[in-house]
Amino acid sequence: DQQVKQNSPSLSVQEGRISILNCDYTNSMFDYFLWYKKYPAEGPTFLISISSIKDKNEDGRFTVFLNKSAKHLSLHIVPSQPGDSAVYFCAASAKKSSGDKLTFGTGTRLAVRP
Amino acid sequence: DSGVTQTPKHLITATGQRVTLRCSPRSGDLSVYWYQQSLDQGLQFLIQYYNGEERAKGNILERFSAQQFPDLHSELNLSSLELGDSALYFCASSFSTGALSGELFFGEGSRLTVL
Repeated sequence: DQQVKQNSPSLSVQEGRISILNCDYTNSMFDYFLWYKKYPAEGPTFLISISSIKDKNEDGRFTVFLNKSAKHLSLHIVPSQPGDSAVYFCAASAKKSSGDKLTFGTGTRLAVRP
Repeated sequence: DSGVTQTPKHLITATGQRVTLRCSPRSGDLSVYWYQQSLDQGLQFLIQYYNGEERAKGNILERFSAQQFPDLHSELNLSSLELGDSALYFCASSFSTGALSGELFFGEGSRLTVL
């Protein structure tokens, strides 16, 4: 049972344009959401997070939006840069019941074309 | 550099064998998590330890076991290896369970190939 889903395995965008990566979840107990970026031959690195009490969190070029009623979150990267090309994982935790244990999606491979 | 160290980086072995993967968490982190990433799959949670004690268990096979030692490093033991066990095994650490940030810090992974 895939509780966190990233339905787009890949995405290609032009440099300077917006990249939008989507994530859906099914577990209503999830109350904290994170995005991780992964380059080849490296471990995932934390990018940005959002608590369920918020609907938006922004950090520089990266913004995460949370729609609790739709159980959907998205990551916006504006403007996209070639160095953003990586695999992006959406992750969620039910902090009140499961602490920091993260449930990950299958990832979306982003390619930013120069 | 996340501060999480995993060894070995690469490991090739045969079916039926047993291997041990090692993880040193970030200095000060009490929780260690193990994740498995198979080809084109997301990261599957295996097990979590907090200050030496098992805290949470995921989809970990009975052939696999783990422990966290008093110095907080952790080992993941994989036995009776099968071809399907070939994967990247990641270790992650965090300061505590229930921390406000919820961020895990990942090592670079150990790539296991079973032939």
